[in-house]
Amino acid sequence: TQLLEQSPQFLSIQEGENLTVYCNSSSVFSSLQWYRQEPGEGPVLLVTVVTGGEVKKLKRLTFQFGDARKDSSLHITAAQPGDTGLYLCAGPNLPQGIQGAQKLVFGQGTRLTINP
Amino acid sequence: DSGVTQTPKHLITATGQRVTLRCSPRSGDLSVYWYQQSLDQGLQFLIQYYNGEERAKGNILERFSAQQFPDLHSELNLSSLELGDSALYFCASSVAVIDYEQYFGPGTRLTVT
Repeated sequence: TQLLEQSPQFLSIQEGENLTVYCNSSSVFSSLQWYRQEPGEGPVLLVTVVTGGEVKKLKRLTFQFGDARKDSSLHITAAQPGDTGLYLCAGPNLPQGIQGAQKLVFGQGTRLTINP
Repeated sequence: DSGVTQTPKHLITATGQRVTLRCSPRSGDLSVYWYQQSLDQGLQFLIQYYNGEERAKGNILERFSAQQFPDLHSELNLSSLELGDSALYFCASSVAVIDYEQYFGPGTRLTVT
């Protein structure tokens, strides 16, 4: 099983500050996804990165896939209280399961709190 | 709103009992996935169905089983419940059998007392 390690586990900062959270693995992933989960709700897909070195932006959120496709980062500029949540990275767990199905493995998440 | 629905929202039951969790995927999605989320284990993949057939298994206990019906809704059956089965159970769906992007339902919080 391929593992994804996220850091930091917890992060609490003031509104307006910038932050970066990380998702690392010793294995190569064909793609990585980032999800945000709010209390009492299911994870919501934010972005998928596929190509090594790829950078994707979603408003104030910037996602980067490492050149070797073993790691990814999420940078938030001028954080707002609405950014509070659990950020999860996930990727397909190889080898493929029966009949080509793929399992998604998740990191433990970074719990982000933005204080007004 | 992801379009994936799950019922019930909360479930409280005693050890040794059996419960059924229900999931309706997004319109048009053929794959359904079940996940368990606990504080110490994080989000763990349990099982996947595609168009009625089991396609992948994860860390699913023998006491747990699932199925997907012709109308594509899915049920997760948990039996001989133990205290350690208390967790959030999520259903997700996607269009294809191999799909990087999954859409999650709001979850069922199971409490075993």
